[in-house]
Amino acid sequence: DTGVSQNPRHKITKRGQNVTFRCDPISEHNRLYWYRQTLGQGPEFLTYFQNEAQLEKSRLLSDRFSAERPKGSFSTLEIQRTEQGDSAMYLCASSLDRVGVNYGYTFGSGTRLTVV
Amino acid sequence: SQKIEQNSEALNIQEGKTATLTCNYTNYSPAYLQWYRQDPGRGPVFLLLIRENEKEKRKERLKVTFDTTLKQSLFHITASQPADSATYLCAPFKAAGNKLTFGGGTRVLVKP
Repeated sequence: DTGVSQNPRHKITKRGQNVTFRCDPISEHNRLYWYRQTLGQGPEFLTYFQNEAQLEKSRLLSDRFSAERPKGSFSTLEIQRTEQGDSAMYLCASSLDRVGVNYGYTFGSGTRLTVV
Repeated sequence: SQKIEQNSEALNIQEGKTATLTCNYTNYSPAYLQWYRQDPGRGPVFLLLIRENEKEKRKERLKVTFDTTLKQSLFHITASQPADSATYLCAPFKAAGNKLTFGGGTRVLVKP
């Protein structure tokens, strides 16, 4: 297993366009998270999945954002009608969640989105 | 609402010295705390997890303390090396299975 894979690594898009990012987690991990990070800040939680179920979505997330994890494997994050404020690094992470056990997250290298 | 504070100013330190970073939290009582390292343009990498009853945890040249009375964790890098230069993030959380909320991170620069 090569870890968490994110594609593309970089995306430049014009304002108003839709973009979709993909995340392939570690296959044994049952949880998958999406975070957003801007320069000089820590990662900000967006949403997470337990297998294929989306269990939580940040209240800060607008309706233009949607995430899916079909069949509990890879996940996609779509941003519709992009705005310049959406420019950020989008990070995906996965973890193995077991009762009473804490494991750290494994992050991908992220997708850097620039909206022009 | 819960708040996590890390020193936003970069920490410049001479090679061989000990770097000490702080993570303060307010408005909640986590039972666990994780520390991550992040290099520019990369995702964070998990380093250590400490539980509230552990007080101190070590891993190679890293040492983490967790003081639930002070609501603070300290992260020490002993015998620092230029390769330790990175941003370090803390993430306190209440229970196993909780999603992580990160502090803003502290950048460390170790000079040879």
